Amino acid sequence: AQSVAQPEDQVNVAEGNPLTVKCTYSVSGNPYLFWYVQYPNRGLQFLLKYITGDNLVKGSYGFEAEFNKSQTSFHLKKPSALVSDSALYFCAVRDAVEAGNNRKLIWGLGTSLAVNP
Amino acid sequence: DARVTQTPRHKVTEMGQEVTMRCQPILGHNTVFWYRQTMMQGLELLAYFRNRAPLDDSGMPKDRFSAEMPDATLATLKIQPSEPRDSAVYFCASGLGEFTPEQYFGPGTRLTVT
Repeated sequence: AQSVAQPEDQVNVAEGNPLTVKCTYSVSGNPYLFWYVQYPNRGLQFLLKYITGDNLVKGSYGFEAEFNKSQTSFHLKKPSALVSDSALYFCAVRDAVEAGNNRKLIWGLGTSLAVNP
Repeated sequence: DARVTQTPRHKVTEMGQEVTMRCQPILGHNTVFWYRQTMMQGLELLAYFRNRAPLDDSGMPKDRFSAEMPDATLATLKIQPSEPRDSAVYFCASGLGEFTPEQYFGPGTRLTVT
């Protein structure tokens, strides 16, 4: 069965410091991996994805994520956090090849990122 | 700037009333998803469509919820009768499917059932 874990409910960092939001996954085959961000009272916004190729994926707003197959992880990172990065972050996974027509994403529960001035 | 639109943005209704939420996916997108978000359960997939055909509605309470796509530009989610436990934010998302699997979310409908 597919699953996603975001082990931290909340991450606190100081502005200017590097940030990491963790995600681990489980799929039977090769994964498609995604990060989304949700600002208060808004819908989720796509940040970045890993489909194939380079393990380091760069996305919007200076975020990047590193796919690590041996550790089944896809941690979200940013070298220097901004107060405006404070939001809820969701990791999602899908098996690259699904039987039949099933193409749904499996979502983590979200990690609340607070960047302190 | 193509966006998913949802109406209404907010809805307050009394228990037992019918609620209809509408979504206009991004033009050209062939997959549509309905999600519900609550503090307790997080983000739950209710239903999704590809090329207007329902592929999976296993996350949806069948006795009171229904989802349809009357045409490629409109998806609807209906609750009848509504209950207080249905209070949540309902999101619609659309996508291009297999080769660009990311989803684009609408702003959501905040539903309160009293």
